[in-house]
Amino acid sequence: DAGVTQSPTHLIKTRGQHVTLRCSPISGHKSVSWYQQVLGQGPQFIFQYYEKEERGRGNFPDRFSARQFPNYSSELNVNALLLGDSALYLCASSFSHYEQYFGPGTRLTVT
Amino acid sequence: GIQVEQSPPDLILQEGANSTLRCNFSDSVNNLQWFHQNPWGQLINLFYIPSGTKQNGRLSATTVATERYSLLYISSSQTTDSGVYFCAVATIANAGNNRKLIWGLGTSLAVNP
Repeated sequence: DAGVTQSPTHLIKTRGQHVTLRCSPISGHKSVSWYQQVLGQGPQFIFQYYEKEERGRGNFPDRFSARQFPNYSSELNVNALLLGDSALYLCASSFSHYEQYFGPGTRLTVT
Repeated sequence: GIQVEQSPPDLILQEGANSTLRCNFSDSVNNLQWFHQNPWGQLINLFYIPSGTKQNGRLSATTVATERYSLLYISSSQTTDSGVYFCAVATIANAGNNRKLIWGLGTSLAVNP
């Protein structure tokens, strides 16, 4: 079975632009979570969606938004990009228990 | 909120050596996972272990939930074990469908040939 997939792999954007990152969960998984990881740190929780509803939101500004589609895939949108948004963005999916499985990530560079 | 502390922060081993990585957490948890992050950033699931002991090949893990710590054992280390090892937890307060993971800062492991 395919694991969690994310696109694109790498992305370079300019300050002020917006970006959309995509994630497809493992087949059968209904929960998707997004994390941001900056160099030298552990991942930080951004959002969690379950059955297309937001179930958790981390301490990120309103420039960050997300949604989950009927097929359980998800998008993370970031508006008005700042240099500090440069990071590895990770998507995780999970089934009925708590174990989470991560995709390969999208590395975003803001110049 | 819950605090997660990992030790040591850095570790250098010779190939074939054994090691123990520790994760302390400050509250009751209903999820604890160990991950290995490779140089390309991919997080690889090692163990889902909110309590008890598990083994997978040269790796094993033990979580003592009542004392709020978990240990990851690596035996006969290989150069491919190099990378960052993370411990991540979810608390009882986040029960239900909120599966927010709180992460430690990781242990950076280098295994030399």
